[in-house]
Amino acid sequence: AQTVTQSQPEMSVQEAETVTLSCTYDTSESNYYLFWYKQPPSRQMILVIRQEAYKQQNATENRFSVNFQKAAKSFSLKISDSQLGDTAMYFCALDPGRNSGGSNYKLTFGKGTLLTVNP
Amino acid sequence: GAGVSQSPSNKVTEKGKDVELRCDPISGHTALYWYRQSLGQGLEFLIYFQGNSAPDKSGLPSDRFSAERTGGSVSTLTIQRTQQEDSAVYLCASSFGTSGRRLGREQYFGPGTRLTVT
Repeated sequence: AQTVTQSQPEMSVQEAETVTLSCTYDTSESNYYLFWYKQPPSRQMILVIRQEAYKQQNATENRFSVNFQKAAKSFSLKISDSQLGDTAMYFCALDPGRNSGGSNYKLTFGKGTLLTVNP
Repeated sequence: GAGVSQSPSNKVTEKGKDVELRCDPISGHTALYWYRQSLGQGLEFLIYFQGNSAPDKSGLPSDRFSAERTGGSVSTLTIQRTQQEDSAVYLCASSFGTSGRRLGREQYFGPGTRLTVT
């Protein structure tokens, strides 16, 4: 079974500052994928960044980067130069990555971290 | 191209009534997923379609829930005899599938349908 834990229900940051959201996970698979999704008040889930477990290099997408610690099963998201539009619920998600049938294609989500960017 | 679309955006129904929620996936995506998001909770997997294969219904919470996907594209989630605990946001997502392609595993979500059962 896969689990994803986000231990910070809420966080806040001042505009232009940097914030890090935490995520830990557990899986017995080796070739899995990790994602961060953003859900603003509009409800639309937006993919922020993805990381393949086989890659040692941390993924980056503009102001968003991750710190992927495979041995520690940690996958934190760093948002640099925070903007008001970054205010949203952020979900960490795990794809176990197996190609075989069964339940291995389901994304397992954490409960989310509500990030508020203050002006 | 167009993203995943869902309709209606909001649905208010009386307890005991049936409802149908619709999802239009991204063109070319063979995999389609339904999730439920209750207030303050993460996303709960409901059902998964992949091409012409039999769907995985293991996440459906009761036999009042069913879903179909016609022609490998549009999907309808039906909830019969709705109960107040069915109130939630129902999200649909699609992807290129689970073929193992590195670029095919991201799921793209629709805006969801907020269902309120009174």
